[in-house]
Amino acid sequence: QKEVEQDPGPLSVPEGAIVSLNCTYSNSAFQYFMWYRQYSRKGPELLMYTYSSGNKEDGRFTAQVDKSSKYISLFIRDSQPSDSATYLCAPTLDSSYKLIFGSGTRLLVRP
Amino acid sequence: DTGVSQNPRHKITKRGQNVTFRCDPISEHNRLYWYRQTLGQGPEFLTYFQNEAQLEKSRLLSDRFSAERPKGSFSTLEIQRTEQGDSAMYLCASSSPSTGYSEAFFGQGTRLTVV
Repeated sequence: QKEVEQDPGPLSVPEGAIVSLNCTYSNSAFQYFMWYRQYSRKGPELLMYTYSSGNKEDGRFTAQVDKSSKYISLFIRDSQPSDSATYLCAPTLDSSYKLIFGSGTRLLVRP
Repeated sequence: DTGVSQNPRHKITKRGQNVTFRCDPISEHNRLYWYRQTLGQGPEFLTYFQNEAQLEKSRLLSDRFSAERPKGSFSTLEIQRTEQGDSAMYLCASSSPSTGYSEAFFGQGTRLTVV
């Protein structure tokens, strides 16, 4: 079993829809929970992150962590075609802050 | 450009050849990470440095792989006797103590194809 599980998609939604992207993880020691966006053939780009449980909002993006159920979510409001990319969740472990990535969910926002 | 820089962007090599990649981190980021990403998968951690010290290596990093950061600035990743299974995107990331190392920024990667 992988430490971080993520539905690969693809997830196809119309422009303006609310998108929900999710990950589950197995290691209760994870502390920071990062979300990266990756366009085709590019490096991952840090979107936002949360520390421990709770919510964090940044513009159209909201990240949620529920440590009791080991569940991580990213919500995108008013989705745009430019949001079409692969979204990677990546918790970090210990003081190394090395990232443990999920396999990524491919999102397609249709105009 | 003040982002993480990786060179070359693409490398095609024959099986059995040695290859070397370079990563220049963001200025004053004293942590540097290497990851490998294959098609349809998320990046996998390979190794990381704090300044010139290599603090951790993944079991994925076989004896054919070596990474250095001699002066605590740029880093190189060398693969000796390349195999077809080494074909992947090699990503470098850096982070700063000013954010407690929690924010890692990636370069555009070096795409290696072994033929």
